[in-house]
Amino acid sequence: GAVVSQHPSRVICKSGTSVKIECRSLDFQATTMFWYRQFPKKSLMLMATSNEGSKATYEQGVEKDKFLINHASLTLSTLTVTSAHPEDSSFYICSAMPLAGGLPSYEQYFGPGTRLTVT
Amino acid sequence: GQNIDQPTEMTATEGAIVQINCTYQTSGFNGLFWYQQHAGEAPTFLSYNVLDGLEEKGRFSSFLSRSKGYSYLLLKELQMKDSASYLCAVRGGQGQNFVFGPGTRLSVLP
Repeated sequence: GAVVSQHPSRVICKSGTSVKIECRSLDFQATTMFWYRQFPKKSLMLMATSNEGSKATYEQGVEKDKFLINHASLTLSTLTVTSAHPEDSSFYICSAMPLAGGLPSYEQYFGPGTRLTVT
Repeated sequence: GQNIDQPTEMTATEGAIVQINCTYQTSGFNGLFWYQQHAGEAPTFLSYNVLDGLEEKGRFSSFLSRSKGYSYLLLKELQMKDSASYLCAVRGGQGQNFVFGPGTRLSVLP
């Protein structure tokens, strides 16, 4: 159990276009999902916390109008990078925290990540 | 503020034992986590400590001292596949956010 998928795994887009990344918890329900970005040889930086049915909470310095997050159901959150620029090229990773019951509620389960390259 | 420190890089020999330290200063504390991350992949969960003491899980053990803001991850009987980055993360007291340390890149040599 506790599988999180991300789609796409890799994407290359042109500067100025938008890219949507999906994060799905496949075998559990998650009220909270986190979106991280990671630059090469660096650690994970939390971008935002996504709660089902409410607006995402963004970390300081993360533009909410550029990184649109939607958490429409207990198993799906999406991150849309709008008007992408080369500096947005990064590894984007989502994670999901399960509802209490069954899986440990303190744990976050990571998706496999999405490698975004903006040309 | 919140700050987590780890050594940037460590090297050890196959079959040996290595200890990776982590110190933290966070507003509130709801648990400390260790993750392993291979290049280009997502992190995988290794351990969770919320109370002081040692948690052992096979070749991996993790220790926590909340009063000292200190944890370590101990890896025994090192194998080549243990070459990876090891991330220390703290779950803060406000909300549920996880704060990650910079990660320690471990190289296991034959």
